[in-house]
Amino acid sequence: AQKITQTQPGMFVQEKEAVTLDCTYDTSDPSYGLFWYKQPSSGEMIFLIYQGSYDQQNATEGRYSLNFQKARKSANLVISASQLGDSAMYFCAMREGGTSGTYKYIFGTGTRLKVLA
Amino acid sequence: EPEVTQTPSHQVTQMGQEVILRCVPISNHLYFYWYRQILGQKVEFLVSFYNNEISEKSEIFDDQFSVERPDGSNFTLKIRSTKLEDSAMYFCASGGRSGNTIYFGEGSWLTVV
Repeated sequence: AQKITQTQPGMFVQEKEAVTLDCTYDTSDPSYGLFWYKQPSSGEMIFLIYQGSYDQQNATEGRYSLNFQKARKSANLVISASQLGDSAMYFCAMREGGTSGTYKYIFGTGTRLKVLA
Repeated sequence: EPEVTQTPSHQVTQMGQEVILRCVPISNHLYFYWYRQILGQKVEFLVSFYNNEISEKSEIFDDQFSVERPDGSNFTLKIRSTKLEDSAMYFCASGGRSGNTIYFGEGSWLTVV
């Protein structure tokens, strides 16, 4: 079973509009973390935002916010006021505790976002 | 801002050759990781390393792969006898004690021909 599911392989958004990228997860670990990374065409992985499973508030980082709905096991990324430079692949990831005390990070299949001028 | 650095950025190698990919993690980090991403596919976990030993590895990380932290700063991934299907982007990542995030290097593109 998929632990991280991103159901949108591709999305388009008009410049300056907001866009939501979906992510659902599955874990039995009570302590976990959820992340979003951006991968532009140059290939590097850029950390965007983190949400801990015990955090009461939704995480925000500038134009990025994470809509965390624990009961629904969803962690959608909201990008407000989209810019052309936001065009990239976006990966949702989850951190679980590993068997030896280290963490495992599991990635979804990604959503390719294209911002239109 | 501290960052994870990887070398080489791109390597082309003949099938059957050994390859070593190098990484310098962020200096006060304790947890180190290798991931790979086959072109157009998702990022896959290979191995995690803590306290000078492997703590987790995936089924991809078979006997052809090994990791080492030879001098306290570098973290290397060795592929003993490369196969065509090893062609991918290999990402090194490191994380601090909190586990609140891991930071990735810019990746090493490996092309096996």
